[in-house]
Amino acid sequence: AQTVTQSQPEMSVQEAETVTLSCTYDTSESDYYLFWYKQPPSRQMILVIRQEAYKQQNATENRFSVNFQKAAKSFSLKISDSQLGDAAMYFCALWRQGNEKLTFGTGTRLTIIP
Amino acid sequence: DTAVSQTPKYLVTQMGNDKSIKCEQNLGHDTMYWYKQDSKKFLKIMFSYNNKELIINETVPNRFSPKSPDKAHLNLHINSLELGDSAVYFCASSQVRTGGTGELFFGEGSRLTVL
Repeated sequence: AQTVTQSQPEMSVQEAETVTLSCTYDTSESDYYLFWYKQPPSRQMILVIRQEAYKQQNATENRFSVNFQKAAKSFSLKISDSQLGDAAMYFCALWRQGNEKLTFGTGTRLTIIP
Repeated sequence: DTAVSQTPKYLVTQMGNDKSIKCEQNLGHDTMYWYKQDSKKFLKIMFSYNNKELIINETVPNRFSPKSPDKAHLNLHINSLELGDSAVYFCASSQVRTGGTGELFFGEGSRLTVL
């Protein structure tokens, strides 16, 4: 079985500041992918960033970066220069080859304070 | 062109009724999914189909019956609706078998309200 845990139900950050959202996971496999998805109030699920487990280099997409610690099974998301449009639910998710399903964490609601 | 489209976006119905949600993807993916998002925003997989074959059925009541006429379509029919079925239902697709990375492409969701 694979599990994904997001221990922060809610986070808030001042506009233009940096915030880090935590995620830990559990899988016995070595080949897997990790994702962060964003769900704004429009409810559309939007891919923010993806990390392949075999890559040691942390993924980066503009203001979004991850800290992938494979041994610790930790996958945190850092949002730099936070903007009002970043306000959303953020879901961490795990995909294991052969499992064919994306397992989601319970989400973190991020509020941006103007 | 919308990559994954599902209709309707909103459904309001009475307990005991039957309803369907349709989903289509134009990405050429081999696998399609239904996820349920409850009022606490938890996303849980219900079904997945790969090339019209049922792959995943996650202990969903028999009142829920998915149908995949071809690999680009996956519909969800719900019989005898109950209050607890109220949720947002997301359709998604992914390329799994060849070169798959697990990335899901989601539809906009269908909000079902059972009164």
